[in-house]
Amino acid sequence: GENVEQHPSTLSVQEGDSAVIKCTYSDSASNYFPWYKQELGKRPQLIIDIRSNVGEKKDQRIAVTLNKTAKHFSLHITETQPEDSAVYFCAPRDSSYKLIFGSGTRLLVRP
Amino acid sequence: GAVVSQHPSRVICKSGTSVKIECRSLDFQATTMFWYRQFPKKSLMLMATSNEGSKATYEQGVEKDKFLINHASLTLSTLTVTSAHPEDSSFYICSARDQGAYGYTFGSGTRLTVV
Repeated sequence: GENVEQHPSTLSVQEGDSAVIKCTYSDSASNYFPWYKQELGKRPQLIIDIRSNVGEKKDQRIAVTLNKTAKHFSLHITETQPEDSAVYFCAPRDSSYKLIFGSGTRLLVRP
Repeated sequence: GAVVSQHPSRVICKSGTSVKIECRSLDFQATTMFWYRQFPKKSLMLMATSNEGSKATYEQGVEKDKFLINHASLTLSTLTVTSAHPEDSSFYICSARDQGAYGYTFGSGTRLTVV
């Protein structure tokens, strides 16, 4: 099955700085790579995703980069704001169409 | 957009009783439903996958006789926690996949507390 590792587990940045979270996966057949944001007690919210035929995707302050050869993808948040504080999960889809969640990164943006 | 309605949002039950959680896809056909469990400050752990009209497939370590999953129609899937114990207290979330779409739609989650 898919093995997913996510780093770092916690990340504290100053407002306005950038944040980068990295995810590695093991299933070479994975072809869909989403990132989710989860606030306490809420459902995961999709913030950006990328498919395997693309190396980078950007949506305003959020971007995702994918390296299929190395089997890792990263979430980049620029100009961080306090409301970006939450837990972020990568969840690559394995060959059985299951989303396998990483261990999560708790992001704290200090005002 | 696609919506999955999950009920109840919170439930408290006594040890030994059973609890049923429902997930309904409101405007699309959920050909596959995934059930996750999330303990406090932990990640979402996949419990099982169900396809409409067939038996659920359980992940390793998940007791199929304890967590009964029914996916009798393309718009409704249920998870029943049988003979619940305090260690079953957790946040349960469903996620639906429409075969024709790339994305996944999550329910709002059910906070189960077993006392």
